Amino acid sequence: DVKVTQSSRYLVKRTGEKVFLECVQDMDHENMFWYRQDPGLGLRLIYFSYDVKMKEKGDIPEGYSVSREKKERFSLILESASTNQTSMYLCASSPGYANTEAFFGQGTRLTVV
Amino acid sequence: AQSVTQLGSHVSVSEGALVLLRCNYSSSVPPYLFWYVQYPNQGLQLLLKYTTGATLVKGINGFEAEFKKSETSFHLTKPSAHMSDAAEYFCAVSNFNKFYFGSGTKLNVKP
Repeated sequence: DVKVTQSSRYLVKRTGEKVFLECVQDMDHENMFWYRQDPGLGLRLIYFSYDVKMKEKGDIPEGYSVSREKKERFSLILESASTNQTSMYLCASSPGYANTEAFFGQGTRLTVV
Repeated sequence: AQSVTQLGSHVSVSEGALVLLRCNYSSSVPPYLFWYVQYPNQGLQLLLKYTTGATLVKGINGFEAEFKKSETSFHLTKPSAHMSDAAEYFCAVSNFNKFYFGSGTKLNVKP
């Protein structure tokens, strides 16, 4: 089974802190994603990576950056956390060909105080 | 551009009743369509997917969905709801590399 592991289930951080959310997948998938989930808004794509060191902005990249130094690991960085970044963050991966689904991690619920 | 619309942010059914969750999509190319389920404080789990071929797709836990190109719809159904089906359901469309999700429908099952 594909496994996508997010490093933390719950995080509480202070306003202004630099925050790292880590995600690792074990199936040699080409593509990895970071989504943000808020009630009534569904999943919104923050960033997408299609290869090592390659990234593409999603719909809501402001206030976030990403890093993909190794194929299996995709990190989301909040440069200076703000209260409006309190949310559920979901990492996903997919093989990168047309008819396959995305596989999701368990999610990280981040609270910025 | 690709987008997904889920009608009804909350749906409530009685145990044993039919479940119908609606999804309409827009896509400039033949779509790949997915339904995911999310239980509280968990990630998303794939229920079923349509890629090509048969338009009626069966998934896990007794769910199925029908791709109707003329209606640009991919509604999710289950003949008889169980209490364990209470969760949030997301419809998604993909275009090779990216996945676009609807806003979700929370299913409540009443005893």
